[in-house]
Amino acid sequence: DIQMTQSPSSLSASVGDRVTLTCRASQSIMTSLNWYQQKPGEAPKLLMYGASRLQTGVPSRFTASGSGTEFSLTISSLQLEDFATYYCQQTLFTSTWTFGQGTRVEI
Amino acid sequence: QLVESGGGLVQPGGSLRLSCRGSGSGFRNYWMTWVRQAPGKGLEWVANINHDGTEQNYVDSVKGRFSISRDSAQSSMVLQMNSLRGEDTAIYFCARVEWFRLLGSHYYYMDVWGKGTTVIVSS
Repeated sequence: DIQMTQSPSSLSASVGDRVTLTCRASQSIMTSLNWYQQKPGEAPKLLMYGASRLQTGVPSRFTASGSGTEFSLTISSLQLEDFATYYCQQTLFTSTWTFGQGTRVEI
Repeated sequence: QLVESGGGLVQPGGSLRLSCRGSGSGFRNYWMTWVRQAPGKGLEWVANINHDGTEQNYVDSVKGRFSISRDSAQSSMVLQMNSLRGEDTAIYFCARVEWFRLLGSHYYYMDVWGKGTTVIVSS
């Protein structure tokens, strides 16, 4: 099975900071990589899909890149509403999909 | 929009049937999926089903115990959970799976989510 590893597990940042989250796959997943944001008590929200495509309605301060086994999500200028947990997910094969363990972004 | 129902408290070894109902047009054209989140833990993909119900896939830990199905005429999806264990305690989310095609490959992502229904397995 494909394992997804996110780093760091958590980070502390301030409003206006530029932050980068990393996701690594145990084998190549091409660009079958999605990013989700989840706030406490809420369902996950899709941010990025296909490794670098911005979901409609998501602010442009979110960018993502990568292919193969190394991926990243960058928030160019952190806003109050961005403090949340972020998950990457691989969907290379329909037979099994996997989430990373999450990165918590704290104030 | 997606709305889950059917969660509750069940004893170990028991069964529960979760439902996910979709509103709006096009439900039948999408793959659908269940994702769960144990208390204080991360997201775990549980199962998916293709647009016409002919393909179902499961995470190893639920194979043989859970069954996913759909009724496109009713715009609904069901997760039948049998032989429940304590480790199945979680919030269960249903989600719609959107996809795009690029250079002959399909790329899948979950773009619409329900708010979740809580399952507690305890004696």
